[in-house]
Amino acid sequence: GAVVSQHPSWVICKSGTSVKIECRSLDFQATTMFWYRQFPKQSLMLMATSNEGSKATYEQGVEKDKFLINHASLTLSTLTVTSAHPEDSSFYICSASPLTALQDNEQFFGPGTRLTVL
Amino acid sequence: GQNIDQPTEMTATEGAIVQINCTYQTSGFNGLFWYQQHAGEAPTFLSYNVLDGLEEKGRFSSFLSRSKGYSYLLLKELQMKDSASYLCAVSLDNFNKFYFGSGTKLNVKP
Repeated sequence: GAVVSQHPSWVICKSGTSVKIECRSLDFQATTMFWYRQFPKQSLMLMATSNEGSKATYEQGVEKDKFLINHASLTLSTLTVTSAHPEDSSFYICSASPLTALQDNEQFFGPGTRLTVL
Repeated sequence: GQNIDQPTEMTATEGAIVQINCTYQTSGFNGLFWYQQHAGEAPTFLSYNVLDGLEEKGRFSSFLSRSKGYSYLLLKELQMKDSASYLCAVSLDNFNKFYFGSGTKLNVKP
């Protein structure tokens, strides 16, 4: 159990276009989902916290107008990278925190989406 | 800001024991997690500490000292498949957010 999926697993787009990434909790409901970005050979950087039915909370330095987050249901959050540029090329990973966590703060990670902007 | 420090890279021999340290200075603390990540893949959960002491799970153990802001992950009987990055993550009090250390790349040699 506790599976999180992401779609697409990889995407290549032209500079200036927008890209939507979906994160789904497949077998549980998630009160909170998190979005991370990981550049090559670096660790995960938290971008934003997404709560169902409310606005996302962004970390300092993350542009909310560029990285649009929508958490429409307890099983789906989407991240849209608007007007993507080559510097946005990265590995984007989501995680989900179940309603009934086995232990406090437990999170389950999706497989990640590799974005390449040409 | 949150400071979570780990060594960048370590090398160990198959069958040996290795200890990966993590020190943290954060604005809150609700628990410390260790994750394993192979290149190009998502992190997978290894262990969780909220109280001081040692948590053992098979070949993996994790230790926490809250007063010292220190944790370590101990890997025993190393196998080649243990070559990966090991990420230390601190969960803060607010909204269950995780902040990750820079990760330690472990190379296991034959």
